[in-house]
Amino acid sequence: QVQLQESGPGLVKPSETLSLTCTVSGYSISTGYYWGWIRQPPGKGLEWIGSIYHHGSTYHNPSLKSRVTISVDTSTNQFSLELSSVTAADTAVYYCARHESSDYYDSSGYSRNNWFDPWGQGTLVSVSS
Amino acid sequence: QSVLTQPPSASGTPGQRVTISCSGSSSNIGSHTVNWYQQLPGTAPKLLIYTNNQRPSGVPDRFSGSKSGTSASLAISGLQSEDEADYYCAAWDDSLNGNVFGTGTKVTVL
Repeated sequence: QVQLQESGPGLVKPSETLSLTCTVSGYSISTGYYWGWIRQPPGKGLEWIGSIYHHGSTYHNPSLKSRVTISVDTSTNQFSLELSSVTAADTAVYYCARHESSDYYDSSGYSRNNWFDPWGQGTLVSVSS
Repeated sequence: QSVLTQPPSASGTPGQRVTISCSGSSSNIGSHTVNWYQQLPGTAPKLLIYTNNQRPSGVPDRFSGSKSGTSASLAISGLQSEDEADYYCAAWDDSLNGNVFGTGTKVTVL
């Protein structure tokens, strides 16, 4: 089955760049789907960061867009997140997930199907000097 | 900040039915399908309901989802102790041009 695993430093200094990689197994990224990043500050809710399609097109949460870079490497079946100029507010558990994002039609007309499944186990990144 | 509003908590005794609401707007729930996630303590979220009312393989039929207008609901019937978790709704949002999550609801089994 599809499995995702996040990896990267657990501690980043303020103003530096947070870099994480998600390794996908059991499914070839180049086959399709979007691939996304979500984070969860300690004791708080979920926040979508951004997603990338296998051929490289991306979209991001506008609240983070200027600081976020998401890339994909189909040769290694990995995708990555870079978040620049981090502050303590970026301390969170960072999850990667496969992202279903597609058109959906029913009796009501058009809508967007959009969900994350499966998820990686998550990795805690702390921002501190 | 979340644009989908959920009650912070809900509770019930074993066997009871618990319902969690998710309130949005015309740019998200009113226009797109809704999904629900279950996050057990110390674990990653897991997809529980997709496309308003569909259950992925392996999810018990005690869990059901519905949507009406700009709101959605998750119902847990026959509540069990292992259902104690945080639950999040989510949907596409046209204003954000991306995914939005609800504020989350902690379900406690008394």
